[in-house]
Amino acid sequence: DAGVTQSPTHLIKTRGQQVTLRCSPKSGHDTVSWYQQALGQGPQFIFQYYEEEERQRGNFPDRFSGHQFPNYSSELNVNALLLGDSALYLCASSLGLATDTQYFGPGTRLTVL
Amino acid sequence: AQSVTQPDIHITVSEGASLELRCNYSYGATPYLFWYVQSPGQGLQLLLKYFSGDTLVQGIKGFEAEFKRSQSSFNLRKPSVHWSDAAEYFCAVGRNTDKLIFGTGTRLQVFP
Repeated sequence: DAGVTQSPTHLIKTRGQQVTLRCSPKSGHDTVSWYQQALGQGPQFIFQYYEEEERQRGNFPDRFSGHQFPNYSSELNVNALLLGDSALYLCASSLGLATDTQYFGPGTRLTVL
Repeated sequence: AQSVTQPDIHITVSEGASLELRCNYSYGATPYLFWYVQSPGQGLQLLLKYFSGDTLVQGIKGFEAEFKRSQSSFNLRKPSVHWSDAAEYFCAVGRNTDKLIFGTGTRLQVFP
């Protein structure tokens, strides 16, 4: 049973570029949440997708957008990258909304130069 | 405002010693509380969670945590630390697993 997988593992971009990160949820899960973890900080909630719609959003600008596909996998897109976007981006999956259990993936390390 | 405070940025203990990591929260409603562990370069692994009932909850790897409503605390404990416990520990709060609010973490170092 595969857990949550994320790709790529590492990514280097320059300021102003755009990036797409991908997440495949744990088998059987239909809800995906994204978190940003800056160095030395705890994860911060970006948004959550369920039934291909954004259900909740944290305090992140519109440069951060996402998508969920019919197979429940998800993408996180960040436009006009800033140096401050450098972070570990974590994906978490769960079965349905308002659950008591979610599983995190290993993350994608994004470096913006 | 909703927040989680982990007062200890870095804790060092000897292997075999007991451990307590502190977590205080501010949340309007009755919270769901979680402790996660993160090894270097890894994602988050759930250690334990509290929703209701017995205020002392048991988790994986021999960890336990106690919910104290009067103190708005959810401290993590382990009676005897192993070298493999060295990692970053995060406390989190939320209505459920949606939109969790995390603390800034406590880095645990274990000396042999």
